[in-house]
Amino acid sequence: GNSVTQMEGPVTLSEEAFLTINCTYTATGYPSLFWYVQYPGEGLQLLLKATKADDKGSNKGFEATYRKETTSFHLEKGSVQVSDSAVYFCALSENQAGTALIFGKGTTLSVSS
Amino acid sequence: EAGVVQSPRYKIIEKKQPVAFWCNPISGHNTLYWYLQNLGQGPELLIRYENEEAVDDSQLPKDRFSAERLKGVDSTLKIQPAELGDSAVYLCASSAEGTGDTDTQYFGPGTRLTVL
Repeated sequence: GNSVTQMEGPVTLSEEAFLTINCTYTATGYPSLFWYVQYPGEGLQLLLKATKADDKGSNKGFEATYRKETTSFHLEKGSVQVSDSAVYFCALSENQAGTALIFGKGTTLSVSS
Repeated sequence: EAGVVQSPRYKIIEKKQPVAFWCNPISGHNTLYWYLQNLGQGPELLIRYENEEAVDDSQLPKDRFSAERLKGVDSTLKIQPAELGDSAVYLCASSAEGTGDTDTQYFGPGTRLTVL
């Protein structure tokens, strides 16, 4: 079946450091890929998405590229801020409307000043 | 535009008691999802509705869990009786067909359930 594997956390960085959170997936067909972020005490928020191979999703300085050849969707940011401290979830859905998301276990990011 | 609304935000009950969670999706979103999020894990689907029809409830423990979406808008998820292992966050999400954003799900803040 479909699955998502994320690097385990926590990831602890200093402000302005470079961030990479690895995500790989297993899926039949051509899924859509997502990164969601969950700030403390809040619900999941969509951070970015990509719907086909070689697409790059980007938002708030975060980027991820859909790599079909390596079945990966790694999240990157060039310079993290304290306010980026949160839990990040990689997810996929079969590329059709209304199907459930399959999530990774989440990676906790802690950024210190 | 208002987001997905859930209530209550927190609920503490004793085991064997019933509990219910309510969700109001984004206006116009015909697809509604209930997810379960255990501590330190990603959310997992419990049930998915297309309008008022439950189209995927294969992961819903039907011996104690039930859900409804009357009139295809609000939804209620119920547990009766609750067990200690039901302590988790219950998330509601919605998405819209007929737009260019059909596979994007928007989540509510969740209900954190503690069963004592």
